[in-house]
Amino acid sequence: DSGVTQTPKHLITATGQRVTLRCSPRSGDLSVYWYQQSLDQGLQFLIQYYNGEERAKGNILERFSAQQFPDLHSELNLSPLELGDSALYFCASSVAAGGADTQYFGPGTRLTVL
Amino acid sequence: GQQLNQSPQSMFIQEGEDVSMNCTSSSIFNTWLWYKQDPGEGPVLLIALYKAGELTSNGRLTAQFGITRKDSFLNISASIPSDVGIYFCAGQLGGSNYKLTFGKGTLLTVNP
Repeated sequence: DSGVTQTPKHLITATGQRVTLRCSPRSGDLSVYWYQQSLDQGLQFLIQYYNGEERAKGNILERFSAQQFPDLHSELNLSPLELGDSALYFCASSVAAGGADTQYFGPGTRLTVL
Repeated sequence: GQQLNQSPQSMFIQEGEDVSMNCTSSSIFNTWLWYKQDPGEGPVLLIALYKAGELTSNGRLTAQFGITRKDSFLNISASIPSDVGIYFCAGQLGGSNYKLTFGKGTLLTVNP
């Protein structure tokens, strides 16, 4: 158990809908990262938050948005959904205090868009 | 952007055999990490390497950070059935850039 929690575990929804994925980092970690894993693209970095502020952006689509709350949990919002958004979404957390930074991953949310 | 080439894509071995897999990059990283992912689970950190030339072990696992900072390898000795899974390398620039760039993974199957 990495200490990172993600909910829900599975999500099945339809195109055009909106979903919110939730992540709670390990105790003491200030930074949260979101990654998308699909068969064709592999694991891709989406976005990073540090202590409530956006720190870095990767291959995140404009239809996606994220935020980190004062209690440090984070949410990833996807809307409007498209078929190609079906993937595993992972959250990772780290201390991110500078220099090298080891990330620990949650169990993921499997999103299926029908 | 940076890309990691991980090989082999898959391996099928007998229990007790040693395994080696590697990653190469078109540009340098300052940290290399190796993760293992089981079906339906998130990647689990196996080994982190922070210095060029560093050789680090974790039980039967040994990983090295290449001296050019553009490659890394992972060895697993005396494989056992629970070693089955997908192994990913990941590179990190560090400084203020903490995002991980992942290889495509090596699927390891161990025949008892």
